Amino acid sequence: EVYLVESGGGLVQPGRSLRLSCAASGFTFDDYGMNWVRQAPGKGLEWVAGINWNSGITGYADSVKGRFSISRDNTKNLLYLQMNSLRAEDTALYYCAKNNNWGLHSQSAFDLWGQGTMVTVSS
Amino acid sequence: QSVLTQPPSVSEAPGQRVTISCSGSSSNVGSNPVIWYQQLPGTAPKLLIYIYNQRPSGVSDRFSGSKSGTSASLAISGLQSEDEAVYFCAVWDDTLNGWVFGGGTKVTVL
Repeated sequence: EVYLVESGGGLVQPGRSLRLSCAASGFTFDDYGMNWVRQAPGKGLEWVAGINWNSGITGYADSVKGRFSISRDNTKNLLYLQMNSLRAEDTALYYCAKNNNWGLHSQSAFDLWGQGTMVTVSS
Repeated sequence: QSVLTQPPSVSEAPGQRVTISCSGSSSNVGSNPVIWYQQLPGTAPKLLIYIYNQRPSGVSDRFSGSKSGTSASLAISGLQSEDEAVYFCAVWDDTLNGWVFGGGTKVTVL
């Protein structure tokens, strides 16, 4: 069975850090680019970051650039999101999403999503 | 405020056809394939339409996408109660160098 499982969310104070993980199963992980997409409570979707198959290309939304870092470990089929200097506006459900190809570019689509992990930033 | 503009909601009777618009600019919709996702209540988004208006296996052919200039549309024909969901458009933005989403459109089946 093909699936993604996110973990690492929780309640964190503003200014602190958190690392999210996404475990992939059922497909050849290092054949595909991966992404993080978030959804604030009751709001729409926002792409956060993406990474190509071999970590050679990464991209970030302006709202997180310089604070968040995406990485992957192809030997463990894991995707990560290191989140530093967290703000209240980072509060959201964070989804891990698989590309339908190897890259990070316009010809992609997100064809597999996890169920998300909730991050709440509050004092 | 989203980079892509969608109507907040649309509604129609069962069996009818609805169209959801997605308006962008030359750096996104005008240049790149538009993707459509469906989010059923309480669940993760699901890919509906992708490049060249393809549908993943298992997605009904009642769903179709189109694009003209800097606007795209998702059409749902033969509307069914199971189609009640929020629909999001997404596209790569060449200026931002990343993905942008529309604000989402809630479809209600009357």
